[in-house]
Amino acid sequence: SYVLAQPPSVSVAPGKTASIPCRGDNIGSQSVHWYQQKPGQAPILIIFYNRDRPSGIPERFSGSAAGDTATLTISRVDAGDEADYYCQVWDGGIDPFSVFGGGTKLSVL
Amino acid sequence: QVQLQQWGAGLLKPSETLSLTCAVYGASFSDYYWTWIRQPPGKGLEWIGEINHSGGANYHPSLKSRVTMSVDTSKSHFSLKMTSVTAADTAVYFCARGEPTVAHPFDSWGQGTLVTVSS
Repeated sequence: SYVLAQPPSVSVAPGKTASIPCRGDNIGSQSVHWYQQKPGQAPILIIFYNRDRPSGIPERFSGSAAGDTATLTISRVDAGDEADYYCQVWDGGIDPFSVFGGGTKLSVL
Repeated sequence: QVQLQQWGAGLLKPSETLSLTCAVYGASFSDYYWTWIRQPPGKGLEWIGEINHSGGANYHPSLKSRVTMSVDTSKSHFSLKMTSVTAADTAVYFCARGEPTVAHPFDSWGQGTLVTVSS
């Protein structure tokens, strides 16, 4: 089955840019979605189809995907961005199912 | 604004059957994929499966033998049953809505239900 790999943690100083990678075989040909989850809360969708943002999600959040890496980029990071971030793809086929990356904890220094 | 509200038993003994239900408010029940996702304590998200309004379902290969999903379109409810639970099934279970597109991202989530399996 399809595997998505994320680093367990990423740290960034306030006001800087954070990049969170999600690695998978030829992920650039997939549709990648990203979720933000804060402690004790349900995840929320922040990027869908690689680079689209749902209404209400700030433009500071952006996404891209090429080759074997999809990337979530958060510019001008602030303390409120501290959360876990998950990538997700749909593994189609005879028995389709959805796959999540293991998640990355973003720490704001 | 769509809202998903879920409920079910939070404490089970090994070998019992997990049963959760999710009610959908403010959205057309027929247009989406209705999904269950779980998260063991301190761990990541795991997709369990999805069902559409007509009852067509897809399940995670590793859980397929124990999972059944159903819908009640008259109430805009959908449900999850998982048989023969063990401690490894202890998790927060979320219901979610999958958009009606090829890779259906999950754009709305329930509040989550902690299910603990313990003797």
